[in-house]
Amino acid sequence: QSVLTQPPSASGTPGQRVTISCSGSSSNIGSNTVNWYQQLPGTAPKLLIYSNNQRPSGVPDRFSGSKSGTSASLAISGLQSEDEADYYCAAWDDSLNGHYVFGTGTKVTVL
Amino acid sequence: QVQLVQSGAEVKKPGASVKVSCKASGYTFTTYDINWVRQATGQGLEWMGWMNPNSGNTGYAQKFQGRVTMTRNTSIRTAYMELSSLRSEDTAVYYCARGIGCNGAVCHLYYFDYWGQGTLVTVSS
Repeated sequence: QSVLTQPPSASGTPGQRVTISCSGSSSNIGSNTVNWYQQLPGTAPKLLIYSNNQRPSGVPDRFSGSKSGTSASLAISGLQSEDEADYYCAAWDDSLNGHYVFGTGTKVTVL
Repeated sequence: QVQLVQSGAEVKKPGASVKVSCKASGYTFTTYDINWVRQATGQGLEWMGWMNPNSGNTGYAQKFQGRVTMTRNTSIRTAYMELSSLRSEDTAVYYCARGIGCNGAVCHLYYFDYWGQGTLVTVSS
């Protein structure tokens, strides 16, 4: 059972800005950094954002992350057709001797 | 370049065990954790646990305690995840992923920067 809550879906037309929220608690987002993973259909997840707002090499700057308190968000500006994918937030959780938790996932559709 | 290559698909009967391998290349195997994450069809990602290839230390999600074992063979840079007492609900794609950002027991910055291609495990009678 996921402890990070995301909206099940989000959509936009090409060029638009889409934002995905991720809500957690003091033991996960409130204490640790947030990461985002992109999963294209039929493929393995890929690291998109780490440490709240850092992009790995090769990730376009259209993707940006932020965090405030026990919530985080991912923004995709200048939406493109290849951005259609599932997006998951994630963070370390300090409860239960420590474990990693993922969000419920958000399906982004490009209209 | 960093690569994690997993073993092929498996079909198992309920009650059996499955062992999935994850072979690392392109980096020093003992420097980074290996985590295991699974995904049932149409469902989200579920973390199963981590292993430090250098020490062999492990940490498992509470849900899998007693049923999962993560090991490694450093000579061939390969990590393993064995899940026992399989049931139909264990049917999923299992991924290994390289973990970075834990300093001992402190994991404020933990994330997975490289993933394997996934291994489908089907549990069916």
